[in-house]
Parts: sequence; C-alpha cells; structure tokens
Amino acid sequence: QVLLRQSGPGLVKPSQTLSLTCAISGDSVSSDFAAWNWIRQSPSGGLEWLGRTYYRSKWSYDYAVSVKSRITISPDTSKNQFSLHLNSVTPEDTAVYYCARVAFRVSPVWGQGTMVTVSS
Amino acid sequence: DIVMTQSPDSLAVSLGERATISCKSSLSILDISNNKNYLTWYQQKPGQPPKVLIYWASTRESGVPDRFSGSGSGTDFALTISSLQTEDVAVYYCQQYYSPPLTFGGGTKVEIK
Repeated sequence: QVLLRQSGPGLVKPSQTLSLTCAISGDSVSSDFAAWNWIRQSPSGGLEWLGRTYYRSKWSYDYAVSVKSRITISPDTSKNQFSLHLNSVTPEDTAVYYCARVAFRVSPVWGQGTMVTVSS
Repeated sequence: DIVMTQSPDSLAVSLGERATISCKSSLSILDISNNKNYLTWYQQKPGQPPKVLIYWASTRESGVPDRFSGSGSGTDFALTISSLQTEDVAVYYCQQYYSPPLTFGGGTKVEIK
C-alpha cells in the first residue's frame, strides 16, 4: 500500500518561501512508472496542479505556467521523498497543498493535505 | 492545455435515484497504444482530501461501492451514481492525466433533494 505523508509549516510570511515535504512509503521516488506531483486547492475550492517530477533514466520536471518562475520540486532519493518550494509567496498562495502519485498503470494516491496560510 | 468542463455545477437528487455528472475534455485523452483513457473521478467531502473513485475513466478503485460507475472515451465522460445514498453528498471532480499540465474539472456538488 502506497502512503504519502506531508509535512511542513502551516503559516508563511509574504515574500518568503513555502516549503513542504512528501514522504513516500510503499513505492520509490525513483520509480520508473510514477510521477510525483504537487496540487493545491484554493479556499474557493478549485484544484490547481502545480508541477511534478519523475525519473526515466534521468530526472524530469514539469511546472504549471502560473507558478513556473517561483517553483522548484526536488526529489530526495536518500529519504525517499520529494519537496515543494514556492518562493515569493503572496496571500493568493493560501491554499491546501497536496502531494500525489500519478501513474499510468495504477490509481492515483494523494497525501493528507497541508493547509498553508500566507500572512504576516 | 487540456480544458476539463464539468456539468452541472450542482445536482440535487432524491435518495435512491440516479445521479449523472458529465465531464468533457477539450482534446482526446485516449491513449490509442493501450486503449486507456487517462481520466480520474474524485469524491471530496469537507475537510478531506479528494478520494479516488474511478481511474482509467471506468475502473472502479478498490473498496468503492459498485453504485459508482464511470463511462466514456476520447473527450466525453460521465460518472453515474446508480442509487444515491446519504453518504454520497460531496463534491465530485474529474481530472485528466494524459498530458501536463494535469487539469481538473470545476467540480459538481451533489446534494439530496
């Protein structure tokens, strides 16, 4: 059974960097058939995909245009986890953040979610 | 980007009656190499993460009641709840994972009439 466990602060000041980690059990971040994603859900309810990383002989990354200049997703093979870093945050980045495994061969798996508020 | 359009925005159905939600993609999300549609249906209740109901457009996730079914191919999809139960009150989302950016429908709120 694949489980994703998220960690990170729930409050970030404007202009600072939002950092969250997603620890993986039951699979490997280096899996050659999965992609590791970050998704957020605004207070109004809409779901927005932020980006992903995956390994296919080398690491690859895809980012949403809306955050491309501010986002980094980093795999950590030693800890079997991946992280989200979103810099220069504003109150508009306030949302519930989810990590998720998406694979063509099996059903998706989501983390429990982390509510992040951007406020001074 | 592939745009996912869900309808209706909300739906009120009597207990035991059928509920059907539509999801249309702006491009085909069918992988012709394996005949799989890369579409997932989620159910979300307040304060909880989205729960996978259906993937590959029509494959029911383990443990999901068989009153939930998914259908469609290419660009037109549907989620059907054959006999609405109280515990099915939730918001339902479709998502395509055929190509990045992964995109979601706007959600359909299902309530009891």
